[in-house]
Amino acid sequence: DAGVIQSPRHEVTEMGQEVTLRCKPISGHDYLFWYRQTMMRGLELLIYFNNNVPIDDSGMPEDRFSAKMPNASFSTLKIQPSEPRDSAVYFCASSSEWASYEQYFGPGTRLTVT
Amino acid sequence: QKEVEQNSGPLSVPEGAIASLNCTYSDRGSQSFFWYRQYSGKSPELIMSIYSNGDKEDGRFTAQLNKASQYVSLLIRDSQPSDSATYLCAVRNFGNEKLTFGTGTRLTIIP
Repeated sequence: DAGVIQSPRHEVTEMGQEVTLRCKPISGHDYLFWYRQTMMRGLELLIYFNNNVPIDDSGMPEDRFSAKMPNASFSTLKIQPSEPRDSAVYFCASSSEWASYEQYFGPGTRLTVT
Repeated sequence: QKEVEQNSGPLSVPEGAIASLNCTYSDRGSQSFFWYRQYSGKSPELIMSIYSNGDKEDGRFTAQLNKASQYVSLLIRDSQPSDSATYLCAVRNFGNEKLTFGTGTRLTIIP
């Protein structure tokens, strides 16, 4: 059974460019979470969705960040314009109530903004 | 006070010994508890979940939960060098679908 899929695995971009990260949750999971991890701040929850609807976006750092979930099998996290301080590893995770809300993480996208 | 607290380590344990990782939480309404293992450069991997007081064993791993004292621990028996990683404790509060993560404990198993 496929786990959470993320793409790209690595992204290097210049400051000011738009960055789009993609995630496919585990089939049947109705919760999707976007996290950011840095050495300084650890693992931070940015936003999460339930049944494709954003539930809590209080962790989104600023208006440059946006996330969408157009259907149950796809979500995007967009940063526009990107800044060097956005450099981090971005994880997507999914869960479901029938699986006791256990969250399963994707492999992550390592973003470097120069 | 942080919601979920872990000693950041590093915790060094000789190979073959028992590694003990601890986590405390502040919300008495917490009802689900998870341990994740994260190797350097990799994503967090769920290794144990526990929902009721007591011990839960899975192979070399034992999770222990004490809701009265608000702590959860992870014991790793017969520690192996491959157990060297950062271990994240996560807690789910009642009525909440999201998890609150601790900052993790870095464990090193010394051959």
